[in-house]
Amino acid sequence: EDQVTQSPEALRLQEGESSSLNCSYTVSGLRGLFWYRQDPGKGPEFLFTLYSAGEEKEKERLKATLTKKESFLHITAPKPEDSATYLCAVQGGSNYKLTFGKGTLLTVNP
Amino acid sequence: DAGVTQSPTHLIKTRGQQVTLRCSPKSGHDTVSWYQQALGQGPQFIFQYYEEEERQRGNFPDRFSGHQFPNYSSELNVNALLLGDSALYLCASSLDLGPKEETQYFGPGTRLLVL
Repeated sequence: EDQVTQSPEALRLQEGESSSLNCSYTVSGLRGLFWYRQDPGKGPEFLFTLYSAGEEKEKERLKATLTKKESFLHITAPKPEDSATYLCAVQGGSNYKLTFGKGTLLTVNP
Repeated sequence: DAGVTQSPTHLIKTRGQQVTLRCSPKSGHDTVSWYQQALGQGPQFIFQYYEEEERQRGNFPDRFSGHQFPNYSSELNVNALLLGDSALYLCASSLDLGPKEETQYFGPGTRLLVL
């Protein structure tokens, strides 16, 4: 069964203080690893899809990387508007479903 | 380009009642998935519909059922509501491209409270 563990559960940063969020996964035959951002009471907003180890994708202050066992979401010089819960999900084997972690709650203080 | 839409936004029901939630997929998408998200948890997969058939189901009881219409929109029905069914219900749509399914895009969700 696919499993996803995200760490830390919560992270507080000062504006401009770069850091990384971790997503460890076990899956039989990775089809895709997905990062989403979720604001309170709203639906997840798609950020990145990674398909194979070594792949990297960037968007503004965010960069996602992938190895065979984990993915990192690097946040460079964050701003208060980056505050949200960041969710990681995997899709493996013949599954159509996404298996999510519990998320990392990021708070960026001005 | 309209994204995924869901209705209603909020709903309050009592135990034992039945509820129907609705979803319209993003333009061009043909696949709809439903997820349940409890407070402080990640979304849990309920089921996925493609070509008007349930293609995959998660670990949810038969009280949860669904339907997909010819225009790709979908409904989620929950019978005999329990207090534990209180959650944010999310609809996600995607385009089936065979072996490589496209990313699932989520709607804003329906917040269900069961009293």
